Amino acid sequence: QQPVQSPQAVILREGEDAVINCSSSKALYSVHWYRQKHGEAPVFLMILLKGGEQKGHEKISASFNEKKQQSSLYLTASQLSYSGTYFCGTPLSGGTSYGKLTFGQGTILTVHP
Amino acid sequence: DTEVTQTPKHLVMGMTNKKSLKCEQHMGHRAMYWYKQKAKKPPELMFVYSYEKLSINESVPSRFSPECPNSSLLNLHLHALQPEDSALYLCASSQRPGSYEQYFGPGTRLTVT
Repeated sequence: QQPVQSPQAVILREGEDAVINCSSSKALYSVHWYRQKHGEAPVFLMILLKGGEQKGHEKISASFNEKKQQSSLYLTASQLSYSGTYFCGTPLSGGTSYGKLTFGQGTILTVHP
Repeated sequence: DTEVTQTPKHLVMGMTNKKSLKCEQHMGHRAMYWYKQKAKKPPELMFVYSYEKLSINESVPSRFSPECPNSSLLNLHLHALQPEDSALYLCASSQRPGSYEQYFGPGTRLTVT
C-alpha cells in the first residue's frame, strides 16, 4: 500500500518555507526522500532509519515519527533550485533487506522568484 | 564516480519488435533496480537484483525480461510490448539491498507504437 503525501502541490516565493508530509496506514520501518526535477531522474535527499531521527541536507531537513507512522520534510528559505516533485519512499514490510521501496504519489513544489 | 548510465535515452518500437535497455554502474553497488514511471506518477518498482540474482519480480508481464550479466550491468529485454507500456524506464543501484540510498540513472523514454 502506497504511503500518502500531503499536500499534493505547493507554490512558494523564494525565501518561504514549506513542509511536506508522508504518512502510512502500516508500520513505517524507514523513510527515504527523493526529489525529481522535470525530465530528470529522482535524486536522493536523505533516509531516516528510526523513529525520532532527524536529518538535514543544506536547508532541507526531515523528521520521522515512528509512532505516528509519518515523516515530514522541511524546506526552509526556499530557493528556485528546490522546485521539483518530492517523493517519499518506504519499504512496506519489516523485511527491509531487499530494498523494495514503494513511493508516495509525490508533492509538486514550485518556487517563484 | 556516482553515476548510473542508461542507454538508449529514447526508444520507439513497434509491438512486434525486440529491443533491450541497458544500465551500467561502476560504484561497486550490489543491488540494482528497474522502475517504470508514467507521467506525473511515482516510480513503480519492477525488478530487484541482489548480488546479481533476481530477488524481486513485482508481477511484471513476461514481455519484460531482466538480465544481470555481472555486478555492473543490468539489461531489460523487451518483446511484444503494448502501447500502454510506453513510459520512462529508470534504472537504479544501491550499495546493498536494504535501506540504502538509491542512485538513479537518467532513464530511457520508451514509446510503443
